Amino acid sequence: QVQLQESGPGLVKPSETLSLTCTVSGASIRSYYWSWIRQPPGKGLEWIGYIYYSGSTTYNPSLKSRVTISVDTSKNQFSLKLNSVTAADTAVYYCAASFGSGNWIDPWGQGTLVTVSS
Amino acid sequence: QSVLTQPPSVSGAPGQRVTISCTGSSSNIGAGYDVHWYQQLPGTAPKLLIYGNNNRPSGVPDRFSGSKSGTSASLAITGLQAADEADYYCHSYDSSLSAPVVFGGGTKLTVL
Repeated sequence: QVQLQESGPGLVKPSETLSLTCTVSGASIRSYYWSWIRQPPGKGLEWIGYIYYSGSTTYNPSLKSRVTISVDTSKNQFSLKLNSVTAADTAVYYCAASFGSGNWIDPWGQGTLVTVSS
Repeated sequence: QSVLTQPPSVSGAPGQRVTISCTGSSSNIGAGYDVHWYQQLPGTAPKLLIYGNNNRPSGVPDRFSGSKSGTSASLAITGLQAADEADYYCHSYDSSLSAPVVFGGGTKLTVL
């Protein structure tokens, strides 16, 4: 079955760039749309954006100016970069799979906590 | 402020039935887009519970069911168990200028 695993620094300084990678196993990166979703501590889910293997991306308008999602088909990975971070970007970041905007999201990675602090 | 509105909390005794509502608008649920539901147990990632309004993935008990009508959707849980205590989120597509993927704010289910 499809499994996803997030990796990256757990601590990022304010104004710097948050970078995370999601490694996909059990499926080709060409099979799904690949999303990043975050959850601030004690709060709800916020969709950040997704990418298709072709490189086509769709972002949340509220984050679009700071977000870049990319895909590496040779490594079966996709990545998230969020620049100019502040404490408000502290959250658990999940990578996840779907068949497109209107479709359900499944599966999800286990999530990784990223804290923005000096 | 979430695009989809859920009650912050619901509760019920073991064995009872509870429902969680998810209210949207004419640009999402009311436009006919599907609603999906996720269960998030404490300290874990969300897990797909209901997809396409009323379909259960393999392994999800039939105690969980979904429905949709107009601009709203509901998740029903019957025969409540202690293990059902979790946060529940609805999700749909939105065709307005907001993000195309929208979630409800989440509902905390407490089993009394």
